[in-house]
Amino acid sequence: QKEVEQNSGPLSVPEGAIASLNCTYSDRGSQSFFWYRQYSGKSPELIMFIYSNGDKEDGRFTAQLNKASQYVSLLIRDSQPSDSATYLCAVTNTGNQFYFGTGTSLTVIP
Amino acid sequence: NAGVTQTPKFQVLKTGQSMTLQCAQDMNHNSMYWYRQDPGMGLRLIYYSASEGTTDKGEVPNGYNVSRLNKREFSLRLESAAPSQTSVYFCASSLDRLDGYTFGSGTRLTVV
Repeated sequence: QKEVEQNSGPLSVPEGAIASLNCTYSDRGSQSFFWYRQYSGKSPELIMFIYSNGDKEDGRFTAQLNKASQYVSLLIRDSQPSDSATYLCAVTNTGNQFYFGTGTSLTVIP
Repeated sequence: NAGVTQTPKFQVLKTGQSMTLQCAQDMNHNSMYWYRQDPGMGLRLIYYSASEGTTDKGEVPNGYNVSRLNKREFSLRLESAAPSQTSVYFCASSLDRLDGYTFGSGTRLTVV
């Protein structure tokens, strides 16, 4: 079982809709959770991090963490074509190891 | 503010050649990392340095060596390149081991 699992997609949403990206992790003791955005041919860019159960909002982005279900999600409201990218989930586990998922490709259709 | 600078951006090597990838950060970060990214495999950690003077193996260290030259610089060396090392290499840094990363722009390496 991989440490971090993401649906590779592609996920397509119309412009203005809510995009929902999901990630599950295997280590129940994981402490820190991150979302990165990676445009094609570019390096990953940190967009959100969350440490506690619940929701964390930053502009159009909301990260949601449910430790009981070992599930973290990223919601993008009012999706724009510029949001089209691959989104990487990353988790630090109890061994202080940092793992990335393989990413979900998002396309926002104008 | 340059952030994390990687050189070169592109490189083609012949099997058996050696090369060093350079990375420097100007954010006074303690921890630095080298990852490779391959299609369908995601980002995989090659080596990391939690602080100046220390280095540790990651998930895929075979065929690579690293040097943490000082707090700013962390280099990755391929002693005898193999086609399996064809990949995109990213250097990253973070303030501490469990903080989010800042990535460099990447090096696209092809070994023929």
